[in-house]
Order: sequence, then C-alpha cells, then structure tokens
Amino acid sequence: QVHLQESGPGLVKPSETLSLTCIVSSDSFSSYYWSWIRQPAGKGLEWIGRLYPSGSTNYNPSLKSRVTMSVDTSKNQFSLNLTSVSVADTAVYYCAREAVPGVDFWGQGTLVTVSS
Amino acid sequence: QSVLTQPPSASGTPGQRVTISCSGSSSNIGTNTVNWYQQLPGTAPKLLIYSNNQRPSGVPDRFSGSKSGTSASLAISGLQSEDEADYYCATWDDSLNGFWVFGGGTKLTVL
Repeated sequence: QVHLQESGPGLVKPSETLSLTCIVSSDSFSSYYWSWIRQPAGKGLEWIGRLYPSGSTNYNPSLKSRVTMSVDTSKNQFSLNLTSVSVADTAVYYCAREAVPGVDFWGQGTLVTVSS
Repeated sequence: QSVLTQPPSASGTPGQRVTISCSGSSSNIGTNTVNWYQQLPGTAPKLLIYSNNQRPSGVPDRFSGSKSGTSASLAISGLQSEDEADYYCATWDDSLNGFWVFGGGTKLTVL
C-alpha cells in the first residue's frame, strides 16, 4: 500500500512563496510520477504538475511560470514551490501518485491559506 | 472554466441508475483514456474508474464507465445513499507539453 503525507506552512503571505513537501511510503518511489493537485474551497480539482524521480517535469500551463517541483529520492519525498502567491492560491493541496494511466493514490491534503 | 465539461449536479433515488457526462475535445478525451474520481465530503478523491471502463480492486461493479469520441460517461446503478459525493472526470491533454485536466465536478444527491 502507498501512503502520502503533505507538510508545510498553513499560512502564507501574499507575494511570498508557498512551499510544501510530500513524504511517500512506497517501495517503488523511483518508478512512478508524483503530482501536486489543488482544490479551492467548494471548487473543483486543478492539476499543478508532476515530476519523475529522474528529474523530468510537466507543469500546468496556467501555473508554469510560478511552479517548481523537486525531488529527494534518498528520503522518498518531493516538493512544490509556488511563487508570488495571491489569495487565489488558497486551497487544499494534495500530493498524489501517478501510475499508468493516471493518479491512483492521494495524500489527505493540506490547507494553505494566503493572507496577510 | 474547466477544460472538461460536467453537469454541476445530478440526482436520483435509491435503486435508480444515474449517469454523469464529461465532454472534452480531440486533444484530450478524443485521444486519451478517461479516469473518474469520487470525493466524499471532507476527504481526498478516490480513483473510481480508470482507462475509460476499468474498476480498481474494491470498487463495486455498480460503477461503470464508457467513452465515445470526445465524451465519456460514468454510470451508477442501484444507487445507494453512500454514493452521495462529488464526481470528477480526468484525462491527459496533449496540447502544449501535455498536462492533466479535470472536469469541474458533479455533485450527486441521493434523494
């Protein structure tokens, strides 16, 4: 079974950088894509991007200019940085595993509020 | 505005069959397979259907999926009260460098 746990600040100021980490309990961390997905309160899901432990990344075109993802394979964890945040970035952020052909396991999610 | 279009709401009575549609385009549903997710209140989404019509282990066969052209559908037969949830379709979009897209979600109410 796979377990994912998000961690990071629950409150970020406008214009600053949102940083989250996902710790993965999985025997095959290096064999899958790992994604970040977010959900504003009462709204739908938005895919932020994904990375493969080798370093390959894909980002949502609408967020690409502000997103960076990185990975630490020695710790089975990956991270999200979202720069220049605004109130519109307030959401529950999920980390997730992507197996072929799609996201199959999700973390429980962490609420990030952007407010001064 | 979501890339994939779903009706915002659907409803049915216990035992009924309901369907939820998901409309896309040639760069996403028209080319790639569709997944469906169920999100119960206050919880993370759960994979319900993958590859258009495949059920992960543990998902009841009351749930089924189909795809035709640039549209997909989720059907729930023998509706139960515990099926009340939000449902999302998702697929890969081949435009630009490729990215996952979701539908806006459909809130299913069991009357």
